[in-house]
Amino acid sequence: AIQLTQSPSSLSASVGDRVTITCRASQGISSALAWYQQKPGKAPKLLIYDASSLESGVPSRFSGSGSGTDFTLTISSLQPEDFATYYCQQFNNYPLFGGGTKVEIK
Amino acid sequence: QVQLVQSGAEVKKPGSSVKVSCKASGGTFSSYAISWVRQAPGQGLEWMGGIIPIFGTANYAQKFQGRVTITTDESTSTAYMELSSLRSEDTAVYYCARGSRPMTTVTTCEFWGQGTLVTVSS
Repeated sequence: AIQLTQSPSSLSASVGDRVTITCRASQGISSALAWYQQKPGKAPKLLIYDASSLESGVPSRFSGSGSGTDFTLTISSLQPEDFATYYCQQFNNYPLFGGGTKVEIK
Repeated sequence: QVQLVQSGAEVKKPGSSVKVSCKASGGTFSSYAISWVRQAPGQGLEWMGGIIPIFGTANYAQKFQGRVTITTDESTSTAYMELSSLRSEDTAVYYCARGSRPMTTVTTCEFWGQGTLVTVSS
């Protein structure tokens, strides 16, 4: 079974920082990867699909890259509303989520 | 705009079953998968299974095979998730989510319900 490993599991950053989160699949999944943002007490929100496509309405400071086994979510300039937990999800065969990365205020 | 509205919080005894509903409005119901994803307190997201209403056959994560049943009622645009033989570890928020691509359960979750807290306690 495919496994997804996100890193780091948490990070501290300041407003304006560039933040990078990685997601590694245990086997190749082409571009079948999505990224979600979740705030406490809320449902996840889709940010990126097909590894690098920005969901409608999502700010352009969010970007995704990668294919095969290694993927990255980048926030180019962290904003106060971006402090949240981020999850990757592969949908190559069945939907599977990564363990999450909590982005906290430094 | 697609909206998914879930049923309210439940408190259940160990060994019992729970059935959570998810009513969709806006968009097309029949051809887009409804997935169920749960999140235990302080934990990550876990896909349980999904169904495409027009096909009526659900796919389940291996972990939940035999214990979860996902169904839909096209006449009311409502999906259901029933989990049986509940144990304390099943205490979680259960979300329904609609897929972004038609005719497949293997897709991103574009629209989400508000979540339903299920507490399993004696």
